[in-house]
Amino acid sequence: QKEVEQDPGPLSVPEGAIVSLNCTYSNSAFQYFMWYRQYSRKGPELLMYTYSSGNKEDGRFTAQVDKSSKYISLFIRDSQPSDSATYLCACRSLNAGNMLTFGGGTRLMVKP
Amino acid sequence: DTGVSQDPRHKITKRGQNVTFRCDPISEHNRLYWYRQTLGQGPEFLTYFQNEAQLEKSRLLSDRFSAERPKGSFSTLEIQRTEQGDSAMYLCASSFSEAFFGQGTRLTVV
Repeated sequence: QKEVEQDPGPLSVPEGAIVSLNCTYSNSAFQYFMWYRQYSRKGPELLMYTYSSGNKEDGRFTAQVDKSSKYISLFIRDSQPSDSATYLCACRSLNAGNMLTFGGGTRLMVKP
Repeated sequence: DTGVSQDPRHKITKRGQNVTFRCDPISEHNRLYWYRQTLGQGPEFLTYFQNEAQLEKSRLLSDRFSAERPKGSFSTLEIQRTEQGDSAMYLCASSFSEAFFGQGTRLTVV
């Protein structure tokens, strides 16, 4: 079993919809949680960075971490076709040399 | 452009040849990482430098792989005697706190 799991999708939604992307993890030592967006044949782009449990909002994006259930979410409001990409969650522990452990990614398609 | 830069973007090589990739991190970042990503998967950690010191290596990094970061600036990743299984996207990232990735080098071994 992988330490970080994501549903690979694809997830297809109409433009304007609220999107919910999720990850589960198994390592209790993970303290930092990130979401990256990756367009085809490009490098991952950092979207959100959170520490421990709670919510963080940035524009149309909200990241949510529930450490008690080891569950990470990313919500996208008013989704746009330009949001179509693969979304990767990543986790890091305090003493892992900043090594990130990634999920496999969820492919999102926003249709006009 | 002040982001992480990787060169080349694409590399096609014959099996058995050696290849070398270069990464130029964001200038004020002292940490540098190499990851490998295959199609449909998330990036997998290969190795990590803090300044010029290589502090961690994944068991994915076989003896055919070597990475350097002379003077704590740019880094190189060399793969010797390439195999078809080495075909992947090789990603470099640098960080001070959160990690920022380059555009990757796509390696195809034929």
